[in-house]
Amino acid sequence: GEQVEQLPSILRVQEGSSASINCSYEDSASNYFPWYKQEPGENPKLIIDIRSNMERKQIQELIVLLDKKAKRFSLHITDTQPGDSAMYFCAASGPYNQGKLIFGQGTKLSIKP
Amino acid sequence: GGIITQTPKFLIGQEGQKLTLKCQQNFNHDTMYWYRQDSGKGLRLIYYSITENDLQKGDLSEGYDASREKKSSFSLTVTSAQKNEMAVFLCASSILGGSSQNTLYFGAGTRLSVL
Repeated sequence: GEQVEQLPSILRVQEGSSASINCSYEDSASNYFPWYKQEPGENPKLIIDIRSNMERKQIQELIVLLDKKAKRFSLHITDTQPGDSAMYFCAASGPYNQGKLIFGQGTKLSIKP
Repeated sequence: GGIITQTPKFLIGQEGQKLTLKCQQNFNHDTMYWYRQDSGKGLRLIYYSITENDLQKGDLSEGYDASREKKSSFSLTVTSAQKNEMAVFLCASSILGGSSQNTLYFGAGTRLSVL
């Protein structure tokens, strides 16, 4: 079945700088790539997603890029703030698996003041 | 807006014990899921259900049973708790079954510890 690899597992950046998380997938039929944020003690929540007909999407300080040829997608958080400290999960799904999301291993992002 | 309620929040069990986790949603969503969250391993799908009385195995179904008693509720049973097991079990729901682009709404989780 589909596998999603996510790196790095731990990321520490200075407040105000950018943070980048990278994911790769195996199945070229994957067509939907959401990102979920889980704050400490909270449930994961969708923050941004991208579909296979797009290469780039931005919502405020969040940018996602999709490279279908390389089967990679990434999340970039510009001008990081303390509230960005959380676990981030990428995921992929496609018509092959009835809408099941396959999640990456997660990245723990810490913003240093 | 809707809410997903998981009970209990914390569950302490004994080795070999059968343990049941419950999940209720009032979104009127068709599809419900159980994920297991372990540090360094992300979220792994145990079972999901696309409608009442439907049950589909995920990648991690061995050692678990599930039951979709009605549209709003989905329960998960650990058939035999493993000693020193610690994990968070997350229930989720989404609006449509069979579609690949649905937002998942997660509950707050049940934290399991096995003595």
